Parts: sequence; C-alpha cells; structure tokens
Amino acid sequence: DTAVSQTPKYLVTQMGNDKSIKCEQNLGHDTMYWYKQDSKKFLKIMFSYNNKELIINETVPNRFSPKSPDKAHLNLHINSLELGDSAVYFCASSQEPRGTEAFFGQGTRLTVV
Amino acid sequence: GNSVTQMEGPVTLSEEAFLTINCTYTATGYPSLFWYVQYPGEGLQLLLKATKADDKGSNKGFEATYRKETTSFHLEKGSVQVSDSAVYFCALSDRVGGFKTIFGAGTRLFVKA
Repeated sequence: DTAVSQTPKYLVTQMGNDKSIKCEQNLGHDTMYWYKQDSKKFLKIMFSYNNKELIINETVPNRFSPKSPDKAHLNLHINSLELGDSAVYFCASSQEPRGTEAFFGQGTRLTVV
Repeated sequence: GNSVTQMEGPVTLSEEAFLTINCTYTATGYPSLFWYVQYPGEGLQLLLKATKADDKGSNKGFEATYRKETTSFHLEKGSVQVSDSAVYFCALSDRVGGFKTIFGAGTRLFVKA
C-alpha cells in the first residue's frame, strides 16, 4: 500500500492552462504539505495544512491554491500556468506539526510548454 | 530564521570509500535533525534522524550525530556502494520555525564500481 500517493505522476500542459494535482495519505497523519523541487533539486515548502486548516503559506503566487477536503487529502490547483512553474511537486505528510519526519509521495513532474 | 547548509556536490567516490557529507544548521529553537535520501525518479525517504543534542541517528550503515556545540549533523558511511548513489538532503524541523521542515540544497552522490 502506498502511504502518500499523488496523481498524476507526469503532467505536460500549455501556458495559461489550469491544472490540479491530487494527494492522498493513508497514514492517519494530521499534517500535509506541498513542496516544490526545482531543476537543481532545491526543495522549498509551499503550504502546510493541519487537520484541514492552513498553517503555513509561504510566499507563493496566488495562482496556487491548496484545498484540503479532509485531513487525508491535500490537492493543489494552479491557475494560469507559467513556464517557471515547471518543477517536480511533492506532497508529504507527518504525524503532527511537532518536528517529526515527513513521508513523501513520488512527486508530480509538471512541464509547462 | 532557520536554515540548513550542506556541502555542494556532486561527490564522486569509488565503491567501498568513506563518505562524509557536511551539514550545519541555524535555528532559534531546539530542532529535530534529519537526513533524507532521494533515489532517481523517486520521492524523498527518511534515512535517519536525531531529536536532541548528542543523539546519533543510524540506518543502512549511515550515521550522523547531533552536535549542538558546532550546530552540525554530518552524514557518514564507512564503505559506500553503487546503490548509495542518490541525492542526500539534510533537514531540520522545530516549533519556532512553525514545524515546517527546512531542507538543505541537497548533495548528489555518485559511487563508481
């Protein structure tokens, strides 16, 4: 069983389109995250939700909107995609916001053309 | 704010060589420290962790000791294998930082047979 799963694994789309990435965790964790990994492998946190509530919102364009329908799901919607949005997006979860380790999904490679 | 600095790669070693990847951190609180590993095409996996000063984390032959006096958490392995080729991330998480996990820039390791 996959602990943290994201779909799709690959996403190729044109500039200006709107797309969503879905994430689900079956670990019973309270906290979920979205990270962006650029071409140089640098990882930057974008959002964090605890029990469906937003607790971390880094400096991310308003075009990115996370949605958490329940604590097992955290989806990422991106409006008006730009070339610079091309990256690998990772979903992660942890037991609680207390400095414990995060479990990562396999990543979604987004390519904007 | 919190930050993590790790040695730049890539690091290229021959099989059975000794590995050290340096990591230092800056934190205002008392963070937990982690090493994550990312194999090609995969998400991040926790390799080891330490939650307080002088703790030693170990897993799969890798070790790292939480050194508060030098604010360091260097990763070591006595004899690397080709299968250890991956990107290694040092990370920290603490209450003062809002519980988000902050990652270093990653160090790519290549091990030659």
